[in-house]
Amino acid sequence: AQSVTQLGSHVSVSEGALVLLRCNYSSSVPPYLFWYVQYPNQGLQLLLKYTSAATLVKGINGFEAEFKKSETSFHLTKPSAHMSDAAEYFCAVSGSGGYNKLIFGAGTRLAVHP
Amino acid sequence: NAGVTQTPKFRVLKTGQSMTLLCAQDMNHEYMYWYRQDPGMGLRLIHYSVGEGTTAKGEVPDGYNVSRLKKQNFLLGLESAAPSQTSVYFCASSLTGGSAEAFFGQGTRLTVV
Repeated sequence: AQSVTQLGSHVSVSEGALVLLRCNYSSSVPPYLFWYVQYPNQGLQLLLKYTSAATLVKGINGFEAEFKKSETSFHLTKPSAHMSDAAEYFCAVSGSGGYNKLIFGAGTRLAVHP
Repeated sequence: NAGVTQTPKFRVLKTGQSMTLLCAQDMNHEYMYWYRQDPGMGLRLIHYSVGEGTTAKGEVPDGYNVSRLKKQNFLLGLESAAPSQTSVYFCASSLTGGSAEAFFGQGTRLTVV
């Protein structure tokens, strides 16, 4: 079985501060891991994904995430938050074979204040 | 570029009524998914399909049925709507499963009264 836990349903940071959104996963097979972003009243769009090629993954808009197998984690970071980063962020896991469906975490809403 | 299109965008149903949500994709993707999004619960997988003519249950399939008669379309049916099915429904598609990126529609906001 596969599951994702996102620690912190709401995170608030100041503009220019470090963004850290936490994600831990559980998977019976080597996982593929994703971060998606959802802006208000829109669908989700992909920020970045891990597919075993490199443990540090760079995505769009300056975000990156590091896969740590020993910690079963895939935390999302950005060195300096912008007002435009305010959105909801979802971590997701998939796998191969019978575990190939995409399962999402509960999401973290990021607020950025001046 | 259309991508993934969901119809309708909004709907209000009375308890016990039925309806069908349509998802269409123009990217020749094999996989299609239906999710529901509820506050504090993220996106939960209702049903999915790995190709034309196939369907499979997700995390929360009860009260819903699906069909994938054509590769580009994935239909979600509610036979007898209940207030607990009030939610925002998202359709997504991907070229394959596993590591492939999923592309999402804009969502359907359904209210059951």
